[in-house]
Amino acid sequence: AQKVTQAQTEISVVEKEDVTLDCVYETRDTTYYLFWYKQPPSGELVFLIRRNSFDEQNEISGRYSWNFQKSTSSFNFTITASQVVDSAVYFCALSELDSNYQLIWGAGTKLIIKP
Amino acid sequence: GAGVSQSPSNKVTEKGKDVELRCDPISGHTALYWYRQSLGQGLEFLIYFQGNSAPDKSGLPSDRFSAERTGGSVSTLTIQRTQQEDSAVYLCASSLGRGRTEAFFGQGTRLTVV
Repeated sequence: AQKVTQAQTEISVVEKEDVTLDCVYETRDTTYYLFWYKQPPSGELVFLIRRNSFDEQNEISGRYSWNFQKSTSSFNFTITASQVVDSAVYFCALSELDSNYQLIWGAGTKLIIKP
Repeated sequence: GAGVSQSPSNKVTEKGKDVELRCDPISGHTALYWYRQSLGQGLEFLIYFQGNSAPDKSGLPSDRFSAERTGGSVSTLTIQRTQQEDSAVYLCASSLGRGRTEAFFGQGTRLTVV
């Protein structure tokens, strides 16, 4: 059965520190997709990235970077030089072919960036 | 509009009353999801629509919950005989296809049952 684990319930760092949010997934399928979403205090979830199982290339977008490692079933998210505006709840999600691409969500990690 | 629109943004209702929550997805998006999010919690899947296919209702918590999607566009989530435990934010999302493309979320409807 597919599963997404975000073991870090809450992380608090001081502004400008780097922070990594962990996402570990379980799937028996070889075709699947992984996502990260951000939910700021306003409440609306914002899409950050999608990665399919055939593309292990890491991604960098400004201060954000993602490390996809199939060997450890992880899709971790790093924010470099964090800012107060990065404070939000971050969700990792998985969908797999065998489950008709039903989205399975992690419990989320609340990130607090202190000024 | 360009994004997913939900209405109302806030709804306070008395226990036992019925409520209807509306979602206008992004034009052209064939997939539509409803989720529920209780305070400080993750996303709980409720129901999924894909084009003209039968909806995936596997997440609906009870028969008091139902949803429809008319004309492949607007969706309405109905909760009958509301209970206090129904209090939550109800989120709607749409996408081009299930689970393979990014979903775009509305701002949610905060439902409070008193």
